[in-house]
Amino acid sequence: GAVVSQHPSRVICKSGTSVKIECRSLDFQATTMFWYRQFPKQSLMLMATSNEGSKATYEQGVEKDKFLINHASLTLSTLTVTSAHPEDSSFYICSAPGTGEGNTIYFGEGSWLTVV
Amino acid sequence: RKEVEQDPGPFNVPEGATVAFNCTYSNSASQSFFWYRQDCRKEPKLLMSVYSSGNEDGRFTAQLNRASQYISLLIRDSKLSDSATYLCVVTPGGSYIPTFGRGTSLIVHP
Repeated sequence: GAVVSQHPSRVICKSGTSVKIECRSLDFQATTMFWYRQFPKQSLMLMATSNEGSKATYEQGVEKDKFLINHASLTLSTLTVTSAHPEDSSFYICSAPGTGEGNTIYFGEGSWLTVV
Repeated sequence: RKEVEQDPGPFNVPEGATVAFNCTYSNSASQSFFWYRQDCRKEPKLLMSVYSSGNEDGRFTAQLNRASQYISLLIRDSKLSDSATYLCVVTPGGSYIPTFGRGTSLIVHP
């Protein structure tokens, strides 16, 4: 079945630095990918929709200059957390809609970001 | 009202019990419905899609009630390994952007 790969799975960075998270669709083309953030015991919150060949669409309250999204190709989307702060520490996860019937959503493995 | 609502639980049940979760959605134009399972500190994984006619997969049964705008998940003969958070996912008609419920926590104990 379709697989979405996300890297890195865990990252620790210092405050003020930037961190890039990659999301790849391995056996299908994803013109759209979604980036979510999940705090402990909270729901997955959609941050932005990444569109290949155009700008990402950000949800209300998400700073586009802080969370840079680049959909470089039909199989790769990246999320860069710039000038990271401890409050950015969270579980970031990407997903892509499958191309088969049923609109199944495929998730990456997620990335645990800790900002110290 | 939130777009997708779930009772966060936790539902604490003994092995072998039958447990049911409901999830309500506010957008009557919603077209696709899913139950995902999320283990602690892991990504969500598809448990089952929910079809209008209802569907069953082993010990799991999912149903859709469009009139009342809710979907349900029934787990029979609960196993310890069923302990997880169960996420309700709804995709509105004309959109491919899924909306997640907060999740319902299930704890199955010996």
